[in-house]
Amino acid sequence: DSGVTQTPKHLITATGQRVTLRCSPRSGDLSVYWYQQSLDQGLQFLIQYYNGEERAKGNILERFSAQQFPDLHSELNLSSLELGDSALYFCASSVSGRVGYEQYFGPGTRLTVT
Amino acid sequence: GQQLNQSPQSMFIQEGEDVSMNCTSSSIFNTWLWYKQEPGEGPVLLIALYKAGELTSNGRLTAQFGITRKDSFLNISASIPSDVGIYFCAGYNYGGSQGNLIFGKGTKLSVKP
Repeated sequence: DSGVTQTPKHLITATGQRVTLRCSPRSGDLSVYWYQQSLDQGLQFLIQYYNGEERAKGNILERFSAQQFPDLHSELNLSSLELGDSALYFCASSVSGRVGYEQYFGPGTRLTVT
Repeated sequence: GQQLNQSPQSMFIQEGEDVSMNCTSSSIFNTWLWYKQEPGEGPVLLIALYKAGELTSNGRLTAQFGITRKDSFLNISASIPSDVGIYFCAGYNYGGSQGNLIFGKGTKLSVKP
């Protein structure tokens, strides 16, 4: 158990809908990262927050957004969902805001868009 | 963008055998991390490397940060059935445009008892 929690574990929704994924980092960690994992693309970095502020952005679509709250939990919002958004979404956390530092992953949310 | 080439893509080995896998990049990396992922789970951090030439062990696992800073190796000694999973390397280049860890495509390890 990495100490990173994610909810829900599974999510099934229809195209065009909007969903919110939630992540709680390990105790003491200030950075939260979001990743998308699909069969053909592997693990892709989406976005990083450090202590409530956006720190780095990867290949995140404009339909996706995230935020980190004062209690350091984070939410990833996915809107206007398409079939291709079906994937595993992972949250990771680290104590440092320095990118490239050790990141600890949660169990993931499996999103299925029908 | 930057890419990591991880090889082999898959390995089928007998229990007790040693395993070697590696990652290479065309760019210099400042950090190498090795993760293991089992079906339905998130990646689990195995070893972190921060210095060229660094050799670090974690039980039966040993990883090295290549001296050229463009590669890293992971070795597993005396494999056991619970070593089954997908092993990912991840690297970071402070000067990179993507701003965060880049992951290899993974090495899928199967161990026959």
